[in-house]
Parts: sequence; structure tokens; C-alpha cells
Amino acid sequence: GAVVSQHPSRVICKSGTSVKIECRSLDFQATTMFWYRQFPKQSLMLMATSNEGSKATYEQGVEKDKFLINHASLTLSTLTVTSAHPEDSSFYICSARDLGFSGNTIYFGEGSWLTVV
Amino acid sequence: AQKVTQAQTEISVVEKEDVTLDCVYETRDTTYYLFWYKQPPSGELVFLIRRNSFDEQNEISGRYSWNFQKSTSSFNFTITASQVVDSAVYFCALSGTSTDSWGKLQFGAGTQVVVTP
Repeated sequence: GAVVSQHPSRVICKSGTSVKIECRSLDFQATTMFWYRQFPKQSLMLMATSNEGSKATYEQGVEKDKFLINHASLTLSTLTVTSAHPEDSSFYICSARDLGFSGNTIYFGEGSWLTVV
Repeated sequence: AQKVTQAQTEISVVEKEDVTLDCVYETRDTTYYLFWYKQPPSGELVFLIRRNSFDEQNEISGRYSWNFQKSTSSFNFTITASQVVDSAVYFCALSGTSTDSWGKLQFGAGTQVVVTP
């Protein structure tokens, strides 16, 4: 089964509203998670690195005030798209680092399709 | 800076044909990881392989095989005897190995594989 769970899988919101996407590690503690965005027929682009207990690190060109990331526990990171606009419609996917004894592994969530109308 | 190039945008084959996906990477890191992921239309990323830069052995897993050539900075992927279920977008990705960079994936543009019956 999935070791990283992402919710919701699909969401439609009205322009100007905010929407929150959750990324949970189910079987391990993840001090670091990553958020990616993928526009249709394009590649996945890293948006930010989410660190438990500290501020997220955003990639160049990503508005930190628009894409709020909170990593308040070792198993949960959230991405909030504030004041969403149609151009924010995209596929958002998270990943989590598992630094367990079996070796370093990266697990991806199932992804979230966001449509802003 | 890291860069991953997948020059093939789309490859169309007839079932049972072999298909090879090219991946060329650039990095200044002396150690790094290379990955291949499959992305079906539903969006989730299916992990296929992770290769450490120290390990140049080629690998075979069922109908899948990978050719890692450090001298040419390439990590090519071959599907033997393709099937319709292989139709998807395939991404090659690169990650560093340091505490900061491990798990932060730089993806290639992806190659759409279309397998027709």
C-alpha cells in the first residue's frame, strides 16, 4: 500500500479562494518533504522543500506567500494555494524522504489535481 | 547546476517491439542518484529504478533494462517486447546525495511512449 498519502486527489475551487493539500507519511517519520507542480504535458518542477519545524525553502520563482507550506509534524506537510487563480490549475505532487535503516528512499504521494474555476 | 535531458518527446511502437528511452544528465556532484519513473494518465509516479553513481552495472528487471554509462553521462532505459500497458510518460530524474540535496529531484522533460496493438 501507499506509504505517502496525499489528499485530496482532485479538487475544484473558485477563483480567489484558498485550497489546502495534505501530504502524509504513513509508515515513517519524514523530516523533509518536497512539493512539485506539473502543468499539462510538462515535466515536474520542484516548488519547495518542506522541513519539519522550520520554514520551507522555496525554489526560485515560486511565490512563498501564495504557496504556503506548513510541516508541523513529522508525518504531515500541507501546501495551501492562497487566492487561487485559473493559472494555478495544475497537478501537485509531494514526496517524502525516508532515512530509515533499510536505506534512503523517496516515496511520492498519489498527487492532487487542482482546477480553479 | 543539474540538468536532465530527454530528447525524445514521444515514441510510438507496435506491441512486441522494443523501445529505448534516452536520458542524458549534467551534474557537478561527484556522487548522485539517477531514477526512472513511469507516469500513467492517472498521474501517480511509479518508481522503476534508482541507480547510485558508483554502480555502473547494467540492470535488468523483467522486460525492463537500464544502461548506465558514466563516461557519456547517460542512463538509458529499454522496454523489451512492449505491451499496451507500457503506454505512459517516462521520466528520468537526478538527485544529489548530500543532506540538502538527497531526494530533491531534477526531472527530465519526459518521453511519452505509445504502444499500439
